[in-house]
Amino acid sequence: QTVVTQEPSLTVSPGGTVTLTCASSTGAVTSGSFPNWFQQKPGQAPRALIYSTNNKHAWTPARFSGSLLGGKAALTLSGVQPEDEAEYYCLLYYGGVRVFGGGTKLTVL
Amino acid sequence: QITLKESGPTLVKPTQTLTLTCTFSGFSLNTRGVGVGWIRQPPGKALEWLALIYWDDDKRYSPSLKNRLTITRDTSKNQVVLTMTNMDPVDTATYYCAHSDSVEATAAYWGQGTLVTVSS
Repeated sequence: QTVVTQEPSLTVSPGGTVTLTCASSTGAVTSGSFPNWFQQKPGQAPRALIYSTNNKHAWTPARFSGSLLGGKAALTLSGVQPEDEAEYYCLLYYGGVRVFGGGTKLTVL
Repeated sequence: QITLKESGPTLVKPTQTLTLTCTFSGFSLNTRGVGVGWIRQPPGKALEWLALIYWDDDKRYSPSLKNRLTITRDTSKNQVVLTMTNMDPVDTATYYCAHSDSVEATAAYWGQGTLVTVSS
């Protein structure tokens, strides 16, 4: 059973920068894992932010960026806004099968 | 404008089979690379990827649920159907369908979700 691991929670100050990571139990995350990132606020459906490591959707704010960092996928928020407080999920590709991470609750305080 | 909407029962009994329908608009499931998938989320818990069907009828399933899931499509009706057998209270969740426009971009567009409760 493949497990994708994210930080359970992170806290950042408004205007600050924070990096969320996404690790795979099978080894290093690569571009071939096509990492996707999603944001979910309470009571809402998830919203896609990043696909294929570092590509933004048309609606993704510029302050969100994706990368690979130390064998993990990473989502960096620069200039964090209060409205960025949410749960963030990564999704990895394993030869057709997808697996979500457990999510990171980001608090803006 | 791409939209998706899930429909199906809100309450099912243990051991019953759940059938959910995703009705979509704004894209065609005949277009190369396009897929429609299902994701669920138990109350207060994380997202779980379930299944995906592609434009060419290729189907992929979560290994842990593969024996219980079937995903099919009706391109004439712009619908994708997910069936899950032998429902259990732990399957209580909000079920989402989502559009993928490529292997790289999974679930770019989501439905609003439908809450399914499993209880006798």
